[in-house]
Amino acid sequence: DSGVTQTPKHLITATGQRVTLRCSPRSGDLSVYWYQQSLDQGLQFLIHYYNGEERAKGNILERFSAQQFPDLHSELNLSSLELGDSALYFCASSVDPGWPGELFFGEGSRLTVL
Amino acid sequence: QQQVKQSPQSLIVQKGGISIINCAYENTAFDYFPWYQQFPGKGPALLIAIRPDVSEKKEGRFTISFNKSAKQFSLHIMDSQPGDSATYFCAASRPGSARQLTFGSGTQLTVLP
Repeated sequence: DSGVTQTPKHLITATGQRVTLRCSPRSGDLSVYWYQQSLDQGLQFLIHYYNGEERAKGNILERFSAQQFPDLHSELNLSSLELGDSALYFCASSVDPGWPGELFFGEGSRLTVL
Repeated sequence: QQQVKQSPQSLIVQKGGISIINCAYENTAFDYFPWYQQFPGKGPALLIAIRPDVSEKKEGRFTISFNKSAKQFSLHIMDSQPGDSATYFCAASRPGSARQLTFGSGTQLTVLP
């Protein structure tokens, strides 16, 4: 158990809809990362937050947004969903993003868009 | 643009054999190279990592070999066991305020009993 909690574990929705994925980092970790894992593109970095502030953006679509709340949990919002958005979405946390170290991943949220 | 290239895509090894997975990177600013292991239904978990100031790091049956001049690094799993069957990802990060990991495409390892 990594200590990172993601909900929901599975989500099935229709094209055009909006969903919110939630992540609670490990106790004490201020840094939260979101990754998308699909069969054809591996693990793609989406966005990083540190103590409530956005620090870096990767290949995140404009239809996607995220935020980190004062209690450090984070939410990834996916809107106007398309079939191609079906993937596993992982959240990871770390102690200090300034130094190279371990990212602790949750078990992911599997999104299926029909 | 894929910055970390990983091969092979899949690997089948007999129990007791050596598993070797290779990665190559393009960005010379990368200074941290971890390997993550992922079992079905689970998130990736750190297996072993190396910095470019050393050429090899060993932890138990797992060894990273690093070649800075060739911009390549590899994972060697000695005495491979069926329990090692998983997907392995190499990754890299560079200095900065985020230190996000750039992952390779993954290698699905199957160790036959």
